[in-house]
Amino acid sequence: AQSVTQLDSQVPVFEEAPVELRCNYSSSVSVYLFWYVQYPNQGLQLLLKYLSGSTLVKGINGFEAEFNKSQTSFHLRKPSVHISDTAEYFCAVSDYGGSQGNLIFGKGTKLSVKP
Amino acid sequence: SAVISQKPSRDICQRGTSLTIQCQVDSQVTMMFWYRQQPGQSLTLIATANQGSEATYESGFVIDKFPISRPNLTFSTLTVSNMSPEDSSIYLCSVAVTEAFFGQGTRLTVV
Repeated sequence: AQSVTQLDSQVPVFEEAPVELRCNYSSSVSVYLFWYVQYPNQGLQLLLKYLSGSTLVKGINGFEAEFNKSQTSFHLRKPSVHISDTAEYFCAVSDYGGSQGNLIFGKGTKLSVKP
Repeated sequence: SAVISQKPSRDICQRGTSLTIQCQVDSQVTMMFWYRQQPGQSLTLIATANQGSEATYESGFVIDKFPISRPNLTFSTLTVSNMSPEDSSIYLCSVAVTEAFFGQGTRLTVV
């Protein structure tokens, strides 16, 4: 069965500092990987996704993630964070191929950006 | 893309009652998904709803507790039945087009 582990439940960081949110997955089949962001009292918004091809994926708001098959990781990074990046971030995996539904989510990482 | 309208956005309900959550999509989609996000937890898939057939429930979720309707390709409802405080969660509707899109969620508090 697939599973997703987000190693940090909370990450505090100062504004303009770099940040990395860690995500590891387990799956016996090819996977599709996603990062979602949830701002307070809002739904989920897709940041970026890995389906195939280049292992470095660039998303919205300056975020990027690198798919590492040997380490079964898909860590999310941003070189310089803003106060507005304060939110909860979810890593997710799917083996549904093109439909990309039926996602398995990690427990989430709360990013808190301080001035 | 897909725009999902979910209603109500929040509700406070008495234990033992039921609440029906509506999900409307601006385009026709084959599959719709219902998730639950318990306080401080991640999202867990409740069921997958296809138009014209019974929903497929994940382990730990049953139709008697979470009946789902899917009358057409743009609409679905999830009912949380005979509620208890443990049902207090955010419930989210999702569709998968080019990617998975989510509604704003329904924040349910059971007292």
